Amino acid sequence: NAGVTQTPKFRVLKTGQSMTLLCAQDMNHEYMYWYRQDPGMGLRLIHYSVGEGTTAKGEVPDGYNVSRLKKQNFLLGLESAAPSQTSVYFCASSQWTGGETQYFGPGTRLLVL
Amino acid sequence: GQQLNQSPQSMFIQEGEDVSMNCTSSSIFNTWLWYKQEPGEGPVLLIALYKAGELTSNGRLTAQFGITRKDSFLNISASIPSDVGIYFCAGRNAGNMLTFGGGTRLMVKP
Repeated sequence: NAGVTQTPKFRVLKTGQSMTLLCAQDMNHEYMYWYRQDPGMGLRLIHYSVGEGTTAKGEVPDGYNVSRLKKQNFLLGLESAAPSQTSVYFCASSQWTGGETQYFGPGTRLLVL
Repeated sequence: GQQLNQSPQSMFIQEGEDVSMNCTSSSIFNTWLWYKQEPGEGPVLLIALYKAGELTSNGRLTAQFGITRKDSFLNISASIPSDVGIYFCAGRNAGNMLTFGGGTRLMVKP
């Protein structure tokens, strides 16, 4: 039981390049989330999903797209990376949102030059 | 969006000392959560609070859900070196999404 895993762990991009971050969970959770973490700002929700085939915008969705084609996977895409997207990205999952805890992955550190 | 003000931003204490940190909000939350993040890892849940006035302990950690539902406190007693990390508060509102504080970086000197 690996919990929540993220790939890659670290990536450097040039401005304008695209990439996809992959999140996988093996806990059969319905809900999955993508956050970004910036110094002194805590975690901010980018997009989330309440089930396979569904996605919704969070607090800071601009410049990102997501897909949830399989229940266990939640992909975060950057179509044209910008330096402002330099951050640490965390994926999380939970069984439901009404009080259940969210389990976080180890994070992906992204640097956009 | 909603704002959570977490203080202090950082603390450098001597091993054995007690630690207090808090979060305040301009909005009401239905749930307060406290997480710890260690270097290179994602946040891990420490304590969850579900009712105003609730006081909950987890070992040397004690957290309280403020009566006004707009604040929460975390205390760590008799700190040890492995307490080092960043502590985050998070509030859950009626929309069920979490809002995180900016974090408190704790450093413990042996």
